[in-house]
Amino acid sequence: EVQLVESGGGLVQPGRSLKLSCAASGFTFSNYGMHWIRQAPTKGLEWVASISPSGGSTYYRDSVKGRFTISRDNAKSTLYLQMDSLRSEDTATYYCATRITTTSFDYWGQGVMVTVSS
Amino acid sequence: DIQMTQTPSSMPASLGERVTISCRASQGISNYLNWYQQKPDGTIKPLIYYTSNLQSGVPSRFSGSGSGTDYSLTISSLEPEDFAMYYCQQYDSSPWTFGGGTKLELK
Repeated sequence: EVQLVESGGGLVQPGRSLKLSCAASGFTFSNYGMHWIRQAPTKGLEWVASISPSGGSTYYRDSVKGRFTISRDNAKSTLYLQMDSLRSEDTATYYCATRITTTSFDYWGQGVMVTVSS
Repeated sequence: DIQMTQTPSSMPASLGERVTISCRASQGISNYLNWYQQKPDGTIKPLIYYTSNLQSGVPSRFSGSGSGTDYSLTISSLEPEDFAMYYCQQYDSSPWTFGGGTKLELK
């Protein structure tokens, strides 16, 4: 059974950093691209970043470029999102997701909440 | 960025009713359109990929259609577990974008 479990969220002050993790199991992690998608309170879903299976290619939405870094450790089957220079508008639930059997994000984690506030 | 506009934003409906949710893209997306369901606890479930293909395990009362800029999700006969949020998502071009969501509520 595919499982994605996020961790590392919490309350952080503006300008500070936070690192999210997503532990994957139930599939060959190193074969698939991975993604972070977020949802601000009472808002819709927003793609944040993606990484290729090898980790050699990364992609970001404009609003997080230069502040967020997506990475992965295939030996540990874990995805990361390093978030620096956090802003109040980064407050959201962050989901990790992957596309294994179809062209949609067909597996999602349960999400982890990040609150940026002084 | 491609903007995805869902209508309506909320929809009161009754058990057994047939409902349709619309999703319009700001430009043609060549059927690269997915649908998701989100429950109040935040759990997200994929429903349909590439406009009209049902994800494994999704009941056949769900269906998708469309082309060009206009797409829709139809539920043929509402069950209690269908009352949730629904989102469309395009993957024709980066950044992948989602619609604003449709809340399906019990009338």
